[in-house]
Amino acid sequence: AQTVTQSQPEMSVQEAETVTLSCTYDTSESDYYLFWYKQPPSRQMILVIRQEAYKQQNATENRFSVNFQKAAKSFSLKISDSQLGDAAMYFCAYSASGSRLTFGEGTQLTVNP
Amino acid sequence: NAGVTQTPKFQVLKTGQSMTLQCAQDMNHEYMSWYRQDPGMGLRLIHYSVGAGITDQGEVPNGYNVSRSTTEDFPLRLLSAAPSQTSVYFCASSYSMDSYNSPLHFGNGTRLTVT
Repeated sequence: AQTVTQSQPEMSVQEAETVTLSCTYDTSESDYYLFWYKQPPSRQMILVIRQEAYKQQNATENRFSVNFQKAAKSFSLKISDSQLGDAAMYFCAYSASGSRLTFGEGTQLTVNP
Repeated sequence: NAGVTQTPKFQVLKTGQSMTLQCAQDMNHEYMSWYRQDPGMGLRLIHYSVGAGITDQGEVPNGYNVSRSTTEDFPLRLLSAAPSQTSVYFCASSYSMDSYNSPLHFGNGTRLTVT
């Protein structure tokens, strides 16, 4: 079974600084997808960024970017110029092609003014 | 556009009671799913459905039933509530199980407490 591990239960960052959230996964598949979701206090789940495993180029979405290391099975999320609104629980998730999502444990991010 | 609507938002049950969590979507999505979220465990899949009349078990199905009589609705039934079912429950839907090209849309969750 595929597993997703987020080893940092909590992280904090100063406003305007950069923070990196870690995620590792285990799979025997060659074709799969990786995601980062954000869950603010409102509980709404918001897709932040996604990556296809066969694409070597790291995905970016404005201030959010990933460092995808396929051989190491690592998928970290970098948030640049952190804003107060970035404070949330962040979940890493994995999906084999055509299959359902498996989520990590989550990382609670605090942004300090 | 309402998206994915879950009711109720909050619920308190006594051990042994039964109840149904409602989920409806108005996006004509074929794929619907239920997750539970517990501290330190992320979101875990309970049941899912790839279309009307088709359901399947996820990672933690015990104690829960589902049915999919219409494309729009996917209720989750707790048969005999237990304290271990205290959790936040999310319904999610998408056009297909291809989670990359068809991202999941989540409801706002139901916080359930079983005493």
